[in-house]
Amino acid sequence: GENVEQHPSTLSVQEGDSAVIKCTYSDSASNYFPWYKQELGKRPQLIIDIRSNVGEKKDQRIAVTLNKTAKHFSLHITETQPEDSAVYFCAASKDNDMRFGAGTRLTVKP
Amino acid sequence: SAVISQKPSRDICQRGTSLTIQCQVDSQVTMMFWYRQQPGQSLTLIATANQGSEATYESGFVIDKFPISRPNLTFSTLTVSNLSPEDSSIYLCSVLGTGGTEAFFGQGTRLTVV
Repeated sequence: GENVEQHPSTLSVQEGDSAVIKCTYSDSASNYFPWYKQELGKRPQLIIDIRSNVGEKKDQRIAVTLNKTAKHFSLHITETQPEDSAVYFCAASKDNDMRFGAGTRLTVKP
Repeated sequence: SAVISQKPSRDICQRGTSLTIQCQVDSQVTMMFWYRQQPGQSLTLIATANQGSEATYESGFVIDKFPISRPNLTFSTLTVSNLSPEDSSIYLCSVLGTGGTEAFFGQGTRLTVV
């Protein structure tokens, strides 16, 4: 089955800096790659996603890139703010089967 | 989008007892998913529940320990039975939105076994 690896497990950045989180997946048939943000004590919520027919997608300060050949995708957050502090999960999905990475705890220091 | 109401939000249970968690969705969905999230860890899929058929369990999870009901297209329950301290975790239900992509989650049930 699908195996998703996510790095780093923790990331600390200064407010205003950029943050990058990387994931790799094993199943070349996976075709949907969402990113979820989970604040402390809350449920995961989708922040951005990308499909396998697209290489890059951007939404304000957040962007995701996908390299299908290498089977990896990344989340980029620019101009980080303290409210970006949370745990971020990547996922890879095909046919309603979604598998999550281990998560990255991002801390943005003011 | 989908709105999921999950309860209880938390519970403290004695060893050897069971806890049943309920999830109600505001729309009809074919599949509902149950996850376990241990503190500081990722979301581990326990099982997929389809209406009208038995749930499909992931490796390491068995029906006797985690029986699931799916009586209709908007509701499901997960029971964690014969509780031990190792079962202390957060349990979340999830559904996929229209198009079968974005996952929506319940607010989670924090279970503590004493």
